[in-house]
Amino acid sequence: DAGITQSPRHKVTETGTPVTLRCHQTENHRYMYWYRQDPGHGLRLIHYSYGVKDTDKGEVSDGYSVSRSKTEDFLLTLESATSSQTSVYFCAISPTGRASYEQYFGPGTRLTVT
Amino acid sequence: AQKVTQAQTEISVVEKEDVTLDCVYETRDTTYYLFWYKQPPSGELVFLIRRNSFDEQNEISGRYSWNFQKSTSSFNFTITASQVVDSAVYFCALSYSGGGADGLTFGKGTHLIIQP
Repeated sequence: DAGITQSPRHKVTETGTPVTLRCHQTENHRYMYWYRQDPGHGLRLIHYSYGVKDTDKGEVSDGYSVSRSKTEDFLLTLESATSSQTSVYFCAISPTGRASYEQYFGPGTRLTVT
Repeated sequence: AQKVTQAQTEISVVEKEDVTLDCVYETRDTTYYLFWYKQPPSGELVFLIRRNSFDEQNEISGRYSWNFQKSTSSFNFTITASQVVDSAVYFCALSYSGGGADGLTFGKGTHLIIQP
């Protein structure tokens, strides 16, 4: 058990509203990631963080922002949600902090934008 | 750019049959890592194995085995004597090194259905 929780687990929101998803870890790992999973696309990296206040963009970062003010929390914000952001969002941590090592995933958040 | 291809979208077999899931990758890196993850119907992602590019030895873990062949850029996954509990979506992934981004590049997944 990697000690990763995500909240909320399910959310329905309307187009144009802001949404924040939270990832919380209990193991004090330095590296954290946000992915989205869509049918036919597998998982795609949105943003990642390599420490408090240190973040960078992934493959599909447009329309998303992130923040990490504490080691244990990594927040993903959709400033103005669109229907194309309907997806399942997964947070992940890497115990050693590099992609050479496995990543462990949280339970996911299912977001529906109507 | 890195790419992972899982050409088999869905595979259906009868319980106790052996099944192989294919994974072909593309990368310009000389050092890279390959992974397999399992996503059961409950939705969580479960890490199965990591393999680095310098280790081409096959690995076996119970009914699971992995065949890594650098010459064909493949990292295939075989389940021997499949069971209903093996039904899941399986993802192959590759470590991501473009521009310093430390994430994984995933294939689109193979949905494995084991029929009783």
